[in-house]
Amino acid sequence: SQQGEEDPQALSIQEGENATMNCSYKTSINNLQWYRQNSGRGLVHLILIRSNEREKHSGRLRVTLDTSKKSSSLLITASRAADTASYFCATNNDMRFGAGTRLTVKP
Amino acid sequence: GAGVSQSPSNKVTEKGKDVELRCDPISGHTALYWYRQSLGQGLEFLIYFQGNSAPDKSGLPSDRFSAERTGGSVSTLTIQRTQQEDSAVYLCASSTRGQVGSPLHFGNGTRLTVT
Repeated sequence: SQQGEEDPQALSIQEGENATMNCSYKTSINNLQWYRQNSGRGLVHLILIRSNEREKHSGRLRVTLDTSKKSSSLLITASRAADTASYFCATNNDMRFGAGTRLTVKP
Repeated sequence: GAGVSQSPSNKVTEKGKDVELRCDPISGHTALYWYRQSLGQGLEFLIYFQGNSAPDKSGLPSDRFSAERTGGSVSTLTIQRTQQEDSAVYLCASSTRGQVGSPLHFGNGTRLTVT
């Protein structure tokens, strides 16, 4: 089974704009995690949100979790060209990842 | 401290040959995952080891794929009789507590090319 499914598949914005990407999952979770992949190699953990949390912040990142809708969103504020990457979500249940959202931030 | 180490970083092999990919997890991490990522695609789960428990092999795509983890540390992913469709980046990740929910630490992967 695959838990995390990200959308949109691709997102292109101008530097300084905010980027929002979404993640849906199928079953109950203990936590949901977001990761970034810059170069087709290893993923880097960004943030973990627990099922009893509704919102979490880390720097320019804001993650929300709606367990009733089985969905999460990742907001990157004041985006920079360096934020260009693929973003993935996964839940604790099986740590399966979706296809990711490919974010391009144009300078 | 040292992160997750994978070797080799690149491997080119001929169709039909066997290959072994190695993963050295972070010391003390009990959980270890293997994933495969084809060009431009998402991560495909392959196998999960947690401590001394039987591994979750549900993601292995065929019986040509196998993996082992010796002594609860180093893991080897073996692909027998490689096919061109096996070409991909193979990623390994480890974590302290596996499915309980600690973040995964990824290696830089092995890029496998089957010619």
